[in-house]
Order: sequence, then structure tokens, then C-alpha cells
Amino acid sequence: ETGVTQSPTHLIKTRGQQVTLRCSSQSGHNTVSWYQQALGQGPQFIFQYYREEENGRGNFPPRFSGLQFPNYSSELNVNALELDDSALYLCASSLSREVSYEQYFGPGTRLTVT
Amino acid sequence: KNQVEQSPQSLIILEGKNCTLQCNYTVSPFSNLRWYKQDTGRGPVSLTIMTFSENTKSNGRYTATLDADTKQSSLHITASQLSDSASYICVVSANFGNEKLTFGTGTRLTIIP
Repeated sequence: ETGVTQSPTHLIKTRGQQVTLRCSSQSGHNTVSWYQQALGQGPQFIFQYYREEENGRGNFPPRFSGLQFPNYSSELNVNALELDDSALYLCASSLSREVSYEQYFGPGTRLTVT
Repeated sequence: KNQVEQSPQSLIILEGKNCTLQCNYTVSPFSNLRWYKQDTGRGPVSLTIMTFSENTKSNGRYTATLDADTKQSSLHITASQLSDSASYICVVSANFGNEKLTFGTGTRLTIIP
């Protein structure tokens, strides 16, 4: 186990609804990254938070937003859900925003949009 | 655009046999390359990480190689076990840019008894 936890484990939502996913980073880690992984694909980078500020964003629309809290836990919010948003959402924490540092992944949240 | 391609897409081998997975990348400027193991429905777990100056790194029965000139990497698994059944993902990091980590789509490895 990496010490990174995510909740909920599974979630079913209807198209058009909004969802919030949560991530608790490993102790001492100040950087959290979020990824979307469609079935049979590699993870796609959504965004990264470093010390409560967004530090890089992938090619995702603004309806994907996030937050990082003072304890470095993080939330991913998705508005106006679409069927294509169905995926495994992974968060990863690391000691630093530098790419040389190891990222530790949580178990993921499986989101199904119907 | 940074890209990471892996081959084969899937592989089935007998328990006890060896196998090699391939990764080609076009990521610049290169920082490091990692191999992850991902069990179905779980988060990836790091196996190895290599920088530009390293050309081989081992982690138990896993040995990764890196040729920075040809931008190729391989992951060799020795004496495979049933628990090796998983997806293996190659991830390449760039020093600059928003999308700092580029993931391959993975190789799905199945070990049969």
C-alpha cells in the first residue's frame, strides 16, 4: 500500500450531474496529481496541485476543477457529467512538484456515468 | 506532442518463462523514464525509475533498460509468476511543460499455469 487513499471507491452518476472525488496524500507529501484512465488506456494527466496552487493542467475542459487543502488532501470536481467521463480516476502524491520525485498512486475511484 | 508507445499491446506466457516489454518515446526534454505495474482496477505501483545517464536498473525479477539515443526502453521479467499478471505502463517525464508525465497505454501481461 502507498498510503494514498481515495474516496469513494465506486460511484454511479447520471449525465449532467456533478461529482466530487477525494484524495488523501501520503504523509509529508505536498504535491497531488489527478489522472483519468479510460478502460484499456494509460492514465491521462488532468492537473497537479502544489501547496494549494494549481501547478500544471492537461488537456481537459474547465468543467474539471480541483482544490488542495492546507493538509494537502485534494478534491477533483467534475460538472455537467458526460458519458465519456466514465473512467478510473487516480490521484498520486509526491514529496515535491519536481518530476524527478516518485509519485505514489491511490487505488482510484471508478466513476460510471449513465 | 510528447508520445509514449508500448508493444506488444498484450502478451500471454507460461508461468516460469521470461518476457520482454518494449517502450518507445518522443518526449523532450527528457528527464526520466519509469515502469509501473498496475493490477486491474488498482493504482499503478512503481517498479523502476531511470535517468538519462542510467542504462539498466533491476528490481528483483524485473530489469529495465534505457537507450536514450534511440529513445527506447525495455522491461524484462525473469521466471514469471502468476502474480505478474497485470498491465505494465511506461511513463516518461519531461523537464518542462504542463504535461510533465506522459503515459503509455500499457502492455497487458497474462501468466498462465
